[in-house]
Amino acid sequence: NAGVMQNPRHLVRRRGQEARLRCSPMKGHSHVYWYRQLPEEGLKFMVYLQKENIIDESGMPKERFSAEFPKEGPSILRIQQVVRGDSAAYFCASNGGGSTDTQYFGPGTRLTVL
Amino acid sequence: DAKTTQPNSMESNEEEPVHLPCNHSTISGTDYIHWYRQLPSQGPEYVIHGLTSNVNNRMASLAIAEDRKSSTLILHRATLRDAAVYYCILRRSNNAGNMLTFGGGTRLMVKP
Repeated sequence: NAGVMQNPRHLVRRRGQEARLRCSPMKGHSHVYWYRQLPEEGLKFMVYLQKENIIDESGMPKERFSAEFPKEGPSILRIQQVVRGDSAAYFCASNGGGSTDTQYFGPGTRLTVL
Repeated sequence: DAKTTQPNSMESNEEEPVHLPCNHSTISGTDYIHWYRQLPSQGPEYVIHGLTSNVNNRMASLAIAEDRKSSTLILHRATLRDAAVYYCILRRSNNAGNMLTFGGGTRLMVKP
């Protein structure tokens, strides 16, 4: 049973470009969470999605960031017009949706903005 | 979720037990105590969780104080692979938000 998969593992973008990060949840999971970890800091929640719905986006920056989890295919975290401050590790987690269910994390995408 | 307090770092010798403390004095009756750890350059992974009673699994044990205001994660025999940041997180058993709120955690260093 494959775990949570994220790709790419490493992504380099120049300032002003777009970054697309993909997350495939564990088989049978319909709930996806995105977290960001800035260098030398802890993980911060960004957004929580179910299939085709955003449930909680209270941790998402108001501009340039968006997320989706379509009926088919992976969840996508999209960052438009990246800036150096967006350089971070972005982790995706999934579970079945219970409020205290274990979240299973992917290996992360390390975004570097030049 | 209620706040937790952990030491910034701890050191242990390989093959010795490690006790990682966590204070959560404002815990409510419906808060579960979860522990996750993050190995270097990896995503967090679940370790253990409990509500009131002590819990054991293949990775660790969780000892919960009688008043539930503190808990201790116990690694019975630390290995070099246990070097990680350990996070103690409270999660409420309702549907009001499912995210994990990570604090600073405890960085465990294991010496050979």
